[in-house]
Amino acid sequence: DAGVIQSPRHEVTEMGQEVTLRCKPISGHDYLFWYRQTMMRGLELLIYFNNNVPIDDSGMPEDRFSAKMPNASFSTLKIQPSEPRDSAVYFCASRHSGGYYEQYFGPGTRLTVT
Amino acid sequence: AQSVAQPEDQVNVAEGNPLTVKCTYSVSGNPYLFWYVQYPNRGLQFLLKYITGDNLVKGSYGFEAEFNKSQTSFHLKKPSALVSDSALYFCAVRDTDGLTFGKGTHLIIQP
Repeated sequence: DAGVIQSPRHEVTEMGQEVTLRCKPISGHDYLFWYRQTMMRGLELLIYFNNNVPIDDSGMPEDRFSAKMPNASFSTLKIQPSEPRDSAVYFCASRHSGGYYEQYFGPGTRLTVT
Repeated sequence: AQSVAQPEDQVNVAEGNPLTVKCTYSVSGNPYLFWYVQYPNRGLQFLLKYITGDNLVKGSYGFEAEFNKSQTSFHLKKPSALVSDSALYFCAVRDTDGLTFGKGTHLIIQP
């Protein structure tokens, strides 16, 4: 199994630009989670999906952030417009509803907004 | 709400010595508890979990964790530390559909 796949691994953009992060969960997993990790705030849950439906987006910091899951194999996290304070590592994780809640993480996307 | 606390920001251990990384939890109901490890520039990796049964849970890379209900603790342990164990360790608890993570503990193994 390839594990959770995220792209790009690194993204450097200028303030005001649109950024799109991508995630492919493990095949057969029906939950997908987006997290943000910073030194100041640690690991924060942004949003999660079950069977492609957003369940809880209370962690999304502002309207500039949006996430979609058009099918079971793909999800995006979009920031528009980006700001320097959005600089962080963004992780995607997935799990199967038949398991014991352990999640499997992707390698992350390191976003730098200048 | 479910929560976990990791009281130590950093733990320093000499190579070959036993190590313990502490975690306490606060939950309603029976806890599902987890440990994850994060190496530099990598995602979190699942180490082990406690759901029910034996209080001593064994996981990857020689790690184990001891569940203590009376002390509401779930400490991560290893009998003999390796320099390669140096990483950031997260304790987590099941919370609704997902996990709530602690702030993490930096484990530094000194040669």
